[in-house]
Parts: sequence; C-alpha cells; structure tokens
Amino acid sequence: ILNVEQSPQSLHVQEGDSTNFTCSFPSSNFYALHWYRWETAKSPEALFVMTLNGDEKKKGRISATLNTKEGYSYLYIKGSQPEDSATYLCAFIEYGNKLVFGAGTILRVKS
Amino acid sequence: NAGVMQNPRHLVRRRGQEARLRCSPMKGHSHVYWYRQLPEEGLKFMVYLQKENIIDESGMPKERFSAEFPKEGPSILRIQQVVRGDSAAYFCASSTVDRKGQPQHFGDGTRLSIL
Repeated sequence: ILNVEQSPQSLHVQEGDSTNFTCSFPSSNFYALHWYRWETAKSPEALFVMTLNGDEKKKGRISATLNTKEGYSYLYIKGSQPEDSATYLCAFIEYGNKLVFGAGTILRVKS
Repeated sequence: NAGVMQNPRHLVRRRGQEARLRCSPMKGHSHVYWYRQLPEEGLKFMVYLQKENIIDESGMPKERFSAEFPKEGPSILRIQQVVRGDSAAYFCASSTVDRKGQPQHFGDGTRLSIL
C-alpha cells in the first residue's frame, strides 16, 4: 500500500510570512508528483506536476522542489496572503494515471 | 472553455435506492477519473476511464459500484442499493493524453447523502 505523508497537518501564519510544507512518498518506482490547492467549497486546482529529480517549479509566489531519490517534495509560499488560505494536497503516481493523495496541509493566513 | 462539470452538486438518496453521478470532462479531454472523499478522510482513487474503456478500477468497491464513459455523453458513476456508508463527496477529474506531465482537472464534486 502506497503511503503519501504530508506535514504539517495544519499551519497558521501571519500575512507576509513565508512558509513551506513537506510531502513524503515512496522513493522507488517514481512516476510523477502533483501539487494541488483546494479551497473550501471549490474543486482542487492543479499547481505543479513534477516528473524529474531536482525539478524546481514556480508560479508567482509559490514554488516547489522535488527529490525522487529520497522521496520528498517541498512547497514554498513566499509572503503569504490571506487568499493563500487553502488545503495543499500532494499526490503521487507510481504508474499510469492513478493519483494517491496525501491528507493535505491546511494553511490559514491571518491578516 | 468550460471546466469539468459534475451534476448534481448535491444528491440525497434513501437506503436501497440507486445513485447516478455524472461528469462531463473538459473539452478535448479523453481521460476521466473518479475519486471519493469519505467524511474526515482524504481523496481516494476509484476508477480511471477512457472513452468506452475502463483502464483501472482498482479503487472501486467490488459490489454495487460501476462506472462508464460512453462514446457520446458524460461519464456516469452508478451506485446501486446505496447504504449509509456511501455518503461522501465524489469528485471527477479529466486530463488530455496519457503522459505523465499532464495535470488532472477536477470538478466541484457531488455530495451524496444517504438517509
């Protein structure tokens, strides 16, 4: 059974703080890693798809890195804003297109 | 360009009835996935379909659940003889060709409540 672990479970930060979360996944049989942002009452929104060891991707103030050899990915948010408040999900693909999701990190940004 | 459309948004059924959940993928997407979120749990894969084919149904319960993606029309997730434990949010996602760099685009989900 594949296990995708995310930490921390939740995070409360002040507006302007930078923050990061961790996603751990099995380091064998890596295929791809996805990051999603999920706001309450909305659908999960794709942030990044990472496929190569050492990948670094950026979208505005959000960036992600990938280490497939040791089985982790970091998501960074620079200068958090209240609108960044959401659940951040990572999902691992071992083969095919079947996403195995972590439980998510809940981020709350206070103004 | 409309996103992934799911309907209904909310569905209430009594125990023993059938539930039909519909998903229209994004335009140009030929791959559809269904995920389930049980109360207090994360998203769990159920089934992966292409037009007229089930590619991976390893996450589907063995009984009462079925899925199809016909040549014309939306993908349907069908739950027969529903029980209280089927109460969950069911999400559909779609993607383009089967390449590992493609994200999956999600619908807003169907919240199924069983009385």
